[in-house]
Amino acid sequence: GESVGLHLPTLSVQEGDNSIINCAYSNSASDYFIWYKQESGKGPQFIIDIRSNMDKRQGQRVTVLLNKTVKHLSLQIAATQPGDSAVYFCAEIPGRYSSASKIIFGSGTRLSIRP
Amino acid sequence: GAGVSQSPSNKVTEKGKDVELRCDPISGHTALYWYRQRLGQGLEFLIYFQGNSAPDKSGLPSDRFSAERTGESVSTLTIQRTQQEDSAVYLCASSLAMRTSGGVYTGELFFGEGSRLTVL
Repeated sequence: GESVGLHLPTLSVQEGDNSIINCAYSNSASDYFIWYKQESGKGPQFIIDIRSNMDKRQGQRVTVLLNKTVKHLSLQIAATQPGDSAVYFCAEIPGRYSSASKIIFGSGTRLSIRP
Repeated sequence: GAGVSQSPSNKVTEKGKDVELRCDPISGHTALYWYRQRLGQGLEFLIYFQGNSAPDKSGLPSDRFSAERTGESVSTLTIQRTQQEDSAVYLCASSLAMRTSGGVYTGELFFGEGSRLTVL
């Protein structure tokens, strides 16, 4: 199978600070991107998405930035809280309007919050 | 049900035994995905169903792995003659794939809690 993960990098952030989690995607033709949050022992949960015709999208305390030139995606979390501790995955969809889709997940980043 | 349901949540088996993992997607979700997640690693795509057909089986790691889906409902992932390297969490996700004039739109994926498989 397609393996998209090695051992996960970890980002350690002071509670209350902003977090920035980065992701490099592989397919320049991908036109839809999603960030997922996975807490320990649970399945991934949708956080925020962005289409390729945008370069920024904001949600509640989260902002996703897309740089298509360098195929880079970032997730910014404002005022990080203990409940934000999780593994964060970016996912790309190579063709949102395609007849067969395979969601490609990045390798994931573990976010650790320091009190 | 309200969410994607997977069973069993935990399965311990002996090497060489067969196992079946079950996924109940969200009612009405036509697309269903299976992923494998090894400890501390990312999600590895296994197979994708649209309805009860599997347009993409490219992620199945060997012929010991197979999956079926009944209509637009329950899916079963079967691993035959399990090996220790099969130990992982197997995640199922479903989405509402809608047909548009441009093709098929893949909606947000909703994941189950996973089935943790341990092969001794």
